[in-house]
Amino acid sequence: AQTVTQSQPEMSVQEAETVTLSCTYDTSESDYYLFWYKQPPSRQMILVIRQEAYKQQNATENRFSVNFQKAAKSFSLKISDSQLGDAAMYFCAYRDDKIIFGKGTRLHILP
Amino acid sequence: ETGVTQTPRHLVMGMTNKKSLKCEQHLGHNAMYWYKQSAKKPLELMFVYSLEERVENNSVPSRFSPECPNSSHLFLHLHTLQPEDSALYLCASSQGRWGGQPQHFGDGTRLSIL
Repeated sequence: AQTVTQSQPEMSVQEAETVTLSCTYDTSESDYYLFWYKQPPSRQMILVIRQEAYKQQNATENRFSVNFQKAAKSFSLKISDSQLGDAAMYFCAYRDDKIIFGKGTRLHILP
Repeated sequence: ETGVTQTPRHLVMGMTNKKSLKCEQHLGHNAMYWYKQSAKKPLELMFVYSLEERVENNSVPSRFSPECPNSSHLFLHLHTLQPEDSALYLCASSQGRWGGQPQHFGDGTRLSIL
């Protein structure tokens, strides 16, 4: 069965610095999608970034980028130039015909 | 209105009550989902509807009863709930049930069982 593991329950980063959130997953499938979602204190979960497993190129969205290592089944999220508004729970998710979420990482931004 | 709207935002009910959670999406999506979010646990997928047909039911107790009357509306009917059912219930929608289309989430309903 597919699993998603986020090994860091909480992290802190200084404003304007860079932080990396880790995510590993387990699957026997070769075709799937990976997502990072952000859930601020206001609760609405929003998509941060998406990666297709068949693409070797790492996805990038402005200050957010991923390091996708398919063989290692690793999918980390890098946030550059951290801002106060980045404070939230971050969830890693895996999707083929099922959708599996990790437990999340709470990110604190220190002013 | 845009996006995914859930009502009510908060709900307190006794174990013998019957209530319903409502979700409405204005995105033209054809798949809708119910999730349960409890503290320190992964998001749990409860039900999936695709084109108004229930396509997934992840061993959810029968005290939770979903209903999808059309592609824009999704309900979760609740009856004789237990204290462990207290959680944040999230609704989501997507264009297509498969593949890389992301899900769009509502704000959730915070449910407390007395």
